Amino acid sequence: GAVVSQHPSWVICKSGTSVKIECRSLDFQATTMFWYRQFPKQSLMLMATSNEGSKATYEQGVEKDKFLINHASLTLSTLTVTSAHPEDSSFYICSALRDSHLNTEAFFGQGTRLTVV
Amino acid sequence: GEDVEQSLFLSVREGDSSVINCTYTDSSSTYLYWYKQEPGAGLQLLTYIFSNMDMKQDQRLTVLLNKKDKHLSLRIADTQTGDSAIYFCAESIQGSQGNLIFGKGTKLSVKP
Repeated sequence: GAVVSQHPSWVICKSGTSVKIECRSLDFQATTMFWYRQFPKQSLMLMATSNEGSKATYEQGVEKDKFLINHASLTLSTLTVTSAHPEDSSFYICSALRDSHLNTEAFFGQGTRLTVV
Repeated sequence: GEDVEQSLFLSVREGDSSVINCTYTDSSSTYLYWYKQEPGAGLQLLTYIFSNMDMKQDQRLTVLLNKKDKHLSLRIADTQTGDSAIYFCAESIQGSQGNLIFGKGTKLSVKP
């Protein structure tokens, strides 16, 4: 199957700093990627839809100025958590859509554990 | 390591029942989830079940869990064309701070 790579797998940062998380589709092009957040013992929450070459679409309640998304190429989307606070500590996971003439499939990254201290 | 497996495709006729199966390997799973993804959209949580439950029903959806065999199934009654989507099974591993392990997804096609 297709491979989606997230980097870093885990990161610890100080309050007030910014952290960038990368999501790469390694063997296919993805015009659409998704960013999710997961709180402990809860399911995924869709944060935003990232579209290559255009602005991301944010879900209700997600601050677009705090969670900056850039999808500058067909294989890379980045999520930057700006001015991080301890409540931003969470598990962030991305997925990328691969279109073919047969179907559309979603492939997930392995996730990034962010801890803000 | 942990692994979640699903069949890749399922095709049914409108009005029939659909059963999507999933197997997982980690016996310490605490929660098991079913997500739906429609074309061009993100994940939508359909339902979930605690590992100490055998069955959960929610309108047209029935989730069955066989913990002994590590087998999870999702039954959709009276399947409609709007149910056509990719369905992901996921498990939450105890002690992993809520990280989810996903299957690769089952594409359900509903024929009129």
